[in-house]
Amino acid sequence: DGGITQSPKYLFRKEGQNVTLSCEQNLNHDAMYWYRQDPGQGLRLIYYSQIVNDFQKGDIAEGYSVSREKKESFPLTVTSAQKNPTAFYLCASRLAGGTYNEQFFGPGTRLTVL
Amino acid sequence: QQPVQSPQAVILREGEDAVINCSSSKALYSVHWYRQKHGEAPVFLMILLKGGEQKGHEKISASFNEKKQQSSLYLTASQLSYSGTYFCGTDSGAGSYQLTFGKGTKLSVIP
Repeated sequence: DGGITQSPKYLFRKEGQNVTLSCEQNLNHDAMYWYRQDPGQGLRLIYYSQIVNDFQKGDIAEGYSVSREKKESFPLTVTSAQKNPTAFYLCASRLAGGTYNEQFFGPGTRLTVL
Repeated sequence: QQPVQSPQAVILREGEDAVINCSSSKALYSVHWYRQKHGEAPVFLMILLKGGEQKGHEKISASFNEKKQQSSLYLTASQLSYSGTYFCGTDSGAGSYQLTFGKGTKLSVIP
């Protein structure tokens, strides 16, 4: 079955530690996205990538970093510079080539920083 | 800039209808609607394009007023399974492939 996997589902880290969230897709989608979701705030875009080895900052990129070395993978690192990292993180992908293509979301990772 | 959704929350009894609105201050190329159950991934419902094209689930209907930069999602004869938070995502330019999401509308359907 095609889809998007995110791991782990729950993640706990101490303050000041970097942490990397995994996102893998086997849909052969070109574009991949990372969103952050806080209660009552909707989904806010952190980073996105339309092709391998290229990515752009979204609205709230500060304190985060990404890489896109393979088409299937788009890991997100939450660095110690992110002041309030506790949130629900969603990865998404989309077939490029037209705005008629919907985004598919992964199941999410809930990060809690203690 | 985030689109504005209204209402923020609504409670329905099974069988009742609801309308959820999404309004943007920017010219829109497309509007995407998703529903999210608590703790789960958002699920695609519908895309509406400038020019009138639509793609989505048969039981969901929506409209897109390009001049007013508004979209509305119509939920008729609601079922318990319709409960969740509904998000609109707006795309302001062909080829940008970015969606800006509203803060969501929480819909609760009760027996």
